[in-house]
Amino acid sequence: AQTVTQSQPEMSVQEAETVTLSCTYDTSESDYYLFWYKQPPSRQMILVIRQEAYKQQNATENRFSVNFQKAAKSFSLKISDSQLGDAAMYFCAYYSGNTPLVFGKGTRLSVIA
Amino acid sequence: DTGVSQDPRHKITKRGQNVTFRCDPISEHNRLYWYRQTLGQGPEFLTYFQNEAQLEKSRLLSDRFSAERPKGSFSTLEIQRTEQGDSAMYLCASSGQISTDTQYFGPGTRLTVL
Repeated sequence: AQTVTQSQPEMSVQEAETVTLSCTYDTSESDYYLFWYKQPPSRQMILVIRQEAYKQQNATENRFSVNFQKAAKSFSLKISDSQLGDAAMYFCAYYSGNTPLVFGKGTRLSVIA
Repeated sequence: DTGVSQDPRHKITKRGQNVTFRCDPISEHNRLYWYRQTLGQGPEFLTYFQNEAQLEKSRLLSDRFSAERPKGSFSTLEIQRTEQGDSAMYLCASSGQISTDTQYFGPGTRLTVL
């Protein structure tokens, strides 16, 4: 079964600095999709970024970018120029089209002013 | 595009009571998913629909749980004879025609069973 591991339960970053959240996954499939979702306190989960496994180029969305290492099964999220509004739980998730969306346990990010 | 909506946002019930939650997906999305999220955990898959057909159910979905999507639009999730262990956030998500389309989540229904 596919599993997603987020080894950092909590992280903190100074405002305007850069932080990287780690995610590893386990799968035997070659074609799949990886996601980072953000869940602010008491607010709904929103998509941050999506990566297709067949694409070698790392996905970017404004201040958010990923480092996708397919062979190592690693999918980290880099947040540049951190803002107070980035404070949230961040979930890494895996999807192959044949299985439900599988989430990690999340990383709680605090942003220090 | 008004997003995925869920109702109610909060539900407090006594053990043994039945509860029903509703999810309205993004219009034109034909796939609808239910997840359960307990404190400090990521969401766990419960079940999903493609149009009105329920295509997959998790082993987490005991006999006390039932979900419907009668006309392929909104969906309901019912929990019968609630137990304290059912206390959780119940999330709904929807996605488009293609199985690999991104899932978009609603705000969730927080259930507290006393």
